[in-house]
Amino acid sequence: QLPLQASGPGLLKPSETLSLTCTVSGGSISTSDYYWAWIRQPPGKELEWIGDISYSGTAYYNPSLKSRVAISIDTFNNQFSLRLTSVTATDAAVYYCTRRRFYRGHSDWGQGTPVTVSS
Amino acid sequence: DIQMTQSPSTLSVSVGDRVTITCRASQSISGWLAWYQQKPGKAPNLLISKTSDLENGVPSRFSGSGSGTEFTLTISSLQPDDFATYYCQQYYSFSHGLTFGGGTKVEIK
Repeated sequence: QLPLQASGPGLLKPSETLSLTCTVSGGSISTSDYYWAWIRQPPGKELEWIGDISYSGTAYYNPSLKSRVAISIDTFNNQFSLRLTSVTATDAAVYYCTRRRFYRGHSDWGQGTPVTVSS
Repeated sequence: DIQMTQSPSTLSVSVGDRVTITCRASQSISGWLAWYQQKPGKAPNLLISKTSDLENGVPSRFSGSGSGTEFTLTISSLQPDDFATYYCQQYYSFSHGLTFGGGTKVEIK
């Protein structure tokens, strides 16, 4: 298991921008065989894939979130980040950062960061 | 988007039972399907990739099968540690999104 640690504000107001960063330790983020991803889970609900990014910076997004989401990668600091604009109550969830080997599922997960949206 | 429909949503079983969970895709996903186990308050744990490839360290009582649009996770003899929620995920194509099923909660009968 590769340690992944997400950090960022846990409380946002509606219309604000969510910014989370995932720090990868114990291994390099600059590996060509993996995607780095964000997945979220609203309370009591199923998992929702937000997007993947490769080490080269090519990002792929959930079509339903594409207009509001951006994922970036910082190979120097071994981090990748999520930015979600114009949040509403429906964006409240536990946000996970993960690693996924090409052609396989998400094998390594951070502990999850809860995000609340409230005025 | 490719929709993933899991059934049943809840399964009440006893230790030692054989458990079967089904996941149906709205179109063919060429076997690009993963299964996860999630316990309350924890991150999911990857059990199976590519329909039937068991991840390292996953007990052999777990197995996956299927093709086309219908896939199955089987637990041959349920153990106490297996009470959890199970999710399937297709990862066929980024353009369709990498979608999860709605989950199956395996609970004690």
